[in-house]
Amino acid sequence: QQPVQSPQAVILREGEDAVINCSSSKALYSVHWYRQKHGEAPIFLMILLKGGEQKGHDKISASFNEKKQQSSLYLTASQLSYSGTYFCGTAGIYNQGGKLIFGQGTELSVKP
Amino acid sequence: DAGVIQSPRHEVTEMGQEVTLRCKPISGHDYLFWYRQTMMRGLELLIYFNNNVPIDDSGMPEDRFSAKMPNASFSTLKIQPSEPRDSAVYFCASSLGGPAYNEQFFGPGTRLTVL
Repeated sequence: QQPVQSPQAVILREGEDAVINCSSSKALYSVHWYRQKHGEAPIFLMILLKGGEQKGHDKISASFNEKKQQSSLYLTASQLSYSGTYFCGTAGIYNQGGKLIFGQGTELSVKP
Repeated sequence: DAGVIQSPRHEVTEMGQEVTLRCKPISGHDYLFWYRQTMMRGLELLIYFNNNVPIDDSGMPEDRFSAKMPNASFSTLKIQPSEPRDSAVYFCASSLGGPAYNEQFFGPGTRLTVL
């Protein structure tokens, strides 16, 4: 039931773009995205609640395809501060209480 | 706002000892979550509470683990007896509403090492 994230790791140069994918085998209420820097707690980025919904925050945006149970996180014109591990968390329709199940994470490194 | 507070930040103990981790959620948040993070298993939900009542404890590994929330501002996660495989970072998080639709605020975590 754990969502699958891809890629597992990505290295970018400042200014480059990246896409992180999250795929679930179960029907979903929502998809959540968090970023965690080394030695720190996960920090919330955004929630996507509706099929086909897209949200954006600065140069980070995401989409949610409810029919395919997939979400993608888009990072454009990456900055050094974007480095960290990105987790998607999925709340499935059949999960008790809609609890989040997190993917294994995608490690993003942005180099100067 | 002080955010979610956890103590201790680091704990080193010997196998067989009792370990108690503590959490103070953000005031006004009705939901509290306990997570465990390891390289092998990632970020796993252990248990969560709504208004101090445990809702889902299916992630609690075994009877050695127990969690309580005696009031809205305090929760504990206890491991007795501890084993080396319990070594991990344990996070507490809280949210205003249910987990499917609400942002979770994570505490700084407790790094547990069991020798």
